[in-house]
Amino acid sequence: AQTVTQSQPEMSVQEAETVTLSCTYDTSESDYYLFWYKQPPSRQMILVIRQEAYKQQNATENRFSVNFQKAAKSFSLKISDSQLGDAAMYFCAWAFGNEKLTFGTGTRLTIIP
Amino acid sequence: EAQVTQNPRYLITVTGKKLTVTCSQNMNHEYMSWYRQDPGLGLRQIYYSMNVEVTDKGDVPEGYKVSRKEKRNFPLILESPSPNQTSLYFCASSFLGELEYGYTFGSGTRLTVV
Repeated sequence: AQTVTQSQPEMSVQEAETVTLSCTYDTSESDYYLFWYKQPPSRQMILVIRQEAYKQQNATENRFSVNFQKAAKSFSLKISDSQLGDAAMYFCAWAFGNEKLTFGTGTRLTIIP
Repeated sequence: EAQVTQNPRYLITVTGKKLTVTCSQNMNHEYMSWYRQDPGLGLRQIYYSMNVEVTDKGDVPEGYKVSRKEKRNFPLILESPSPNQTSLYFCASSFLGELEYGYTFGSGTRLTVV
């Protein structure tokens, strides 16, 4: 079974600083998709960024970027210029074909003013 | 507005009293799924459906039922809820073959079974 591991249950960062959230996964597939979802206190699941495994270029969405290391099966999320609104639970997820999204256990990010 | 609508948002019930959580999407998605979210465990899939009348078990199906009589609706049924089903539940949907773009999620249902 595919697994997604987030080894940091909690992280904190000073406002305006940069923080990196870690995610590793285990799969024997070569063509798959990776995601980071944000869950603020409102509970809504918001897609932050996605990466296609066959693309070597790391995805970027404004202040959010990923470091995708396919050989190492690592998919970390970097948040630059952290803002108070970034405080949330962040989930890493993996998908292949029509298979379900498999989620990690989440990292709770606190922003320190 | 394209959305997945879940109801209710909060629910407190007693052990053994049958309940249904509704889920409806207006995007003509074939794929629909239910997840539960628990602290330290992330989101785990309960059931999924790839089209009308086609449903299958996910990772944690025990104690749950689903049906897919119409494309837009995918209710989650707890026929005899127990306290270990206290959780945050999410319905999600996608076009089949487009899971690469992730899911559209409902806003979640916080269920407490006492």
